[in-house]
Amino acid sequence: NAGVTQTPKFQVLKTGQSMTLQCAQDMNHNSMYWYRQDPGMGLRLIYYSASEGTTDKGEVPDGYNVSRLKKQNFLLGLESAAPSQTSVYFCASSNGGLGQPQHFGDGTRLSIL
Amino acid sequence: GQQLNQSPQSMFIQEGEDVSMNCTSSSIFNTWLWYKQDPGEGPVLLIALYKAGELTSNGRLTAQFGITRKDSFLNISASIPSDVGIYFCAGPDGQNFVFGPGTRLSVLP
Repeated sequence: NAGVTQTPKFQVLKTGQSMTLQCAQDMNHNSMYWYRQDPGMGLRLIYYSASEGTTDKGEVPDGYNVSRLKKQNFLLGLESAAPSQTSVYFCASSNGGLGQPQHFGDGTRLSIL
Repeated sequence: GQQLNQSPQSMFIQEGEDVSMNCTSSSIFNTWLWYKQDPGEGPVLLIALYKAGELTSNGRLTAQFGITRKDSFLNISASIPSDVGIYFCAGPDGQNFVFGPGTRLSVLP
């Protein structure tokens, strides 16, 4: 009963390095989301995908890119990591549509030195 | 976009006490969600509310959809140590949800 699985759980990068955070869901959900969580600021939406092959910007998309090639996977890329991107990243999925609650993974803790 | 405020930001209570927290919005919502985040984990949905005035319980937790549709309340009765965590409210923002900054709950034995 995996739900939403994020890899890796922890990562340390140097400024300027690139990496991809992976997210997989086994609930056949149409919609997937990437959030970042910073102290005192709750969850802020980076990008979302309403269906396979489509993506849209959220509140804080700068410095990130995403890919939704398969329904079950949503990838978040950092092209050139910056210290301001140090955060905890959460992936979520839902059946989509207004009012449908989201199910979250356990997060990826990313530190940029 | 939408912004939510949660009160209090943090609270320390004794085990066995009841807890009340609230969430407010500047806009009218047709849905309110309450999540709990345990340390080191992702948020987990506790209660979903879809109608103004609705009162819904989940064990010792009770949430209410405010009649103004701009607020929601979460109560926890007879708190226990495992209630520790951050409680988030969320409301719709277009096709997505906006989350409040959270209320951090600490339970003292």
